[in-house]
Amino acid sequence: SQQGEEDPQALSIQEGENATMNCSYKTSINNLQWYRQNSGRGLVHLILIRSNEREKHSGRLRVTLDTSKKSSSLLITASRAADTASYFCATDSGGATNKLIFGTGTLLAVQP
Amino acid sequence: EPEVTQTPSHQVTQMGQEVILRCVPISNHLYFYWYRQILGQKVEFLVSFYNNEISEKSEIFDDQFSVERPDGSNFTLKIRSTKLEDSAMYFCASTGGSPTKNIQYFGAGTRLSVL
Repeated sequence: SQQGEEDPQALSIQEGENATMNCSYKTSINNLQWYRQNSGRGLVHLILIRSNEREKHSGRLRVTLDTSKKSSSLLITASRAADTASYFCATDSGGATNKLIFGTGTLLAVQP
Repeated sequence: EPEVTQTPSHQVTQMGQEVILRCVPISNHLYFYWYRQILGQKVEFLVSFYNNEISEKSEIFDDQFSVERPDGSNFTLKIRSTKLEDSAMYFCASTGGSPTKNIQYFGAGTRLSVL
């Protein structure tokens, strides 16, 4: 089965700096998505990148996907204290079910 | 903006009791899911539901679990006889038809504590 592994497990930066989180997976995918989770809260969808895409932007977020290396990165530019959260990648292989397989997550702390 | 709603936000129960977790998916969505997250661990897929039947379930989703869409709006997860290890956050998600099919929108979750 697919498994997403993220690194680093935890990341602490200062406000204004950029944060980069990486995700690796094991099997072929249809899409890769990034979600954010504030402590003890629900999952908020951030961005989806399809397997035939290499890079995608949304506001301060930039996602890359390298299917040959089975890896993705999420870059948050000009971070803010409000970006403090856990970030998860999730892969799906499409098909009728489209279930998501989540990574282990990166806990990002942005210090004001 | 439409959202997935889950109730209750926190459920405390005794081991062996039945619990029903409730979800109201986004109104025009067609595919529904339950996931769970044990404290400090990954979010894990439990079950997917489409066209009034289970389309896939994980090995976690054993005979103690069941799902139902009792009316046009609610989607429920029932655990028949809870165990201590069922303590987790349970998330409901829904998604619409293609081309947005692949974005799953999650509820805020129900924290289940089994004592």
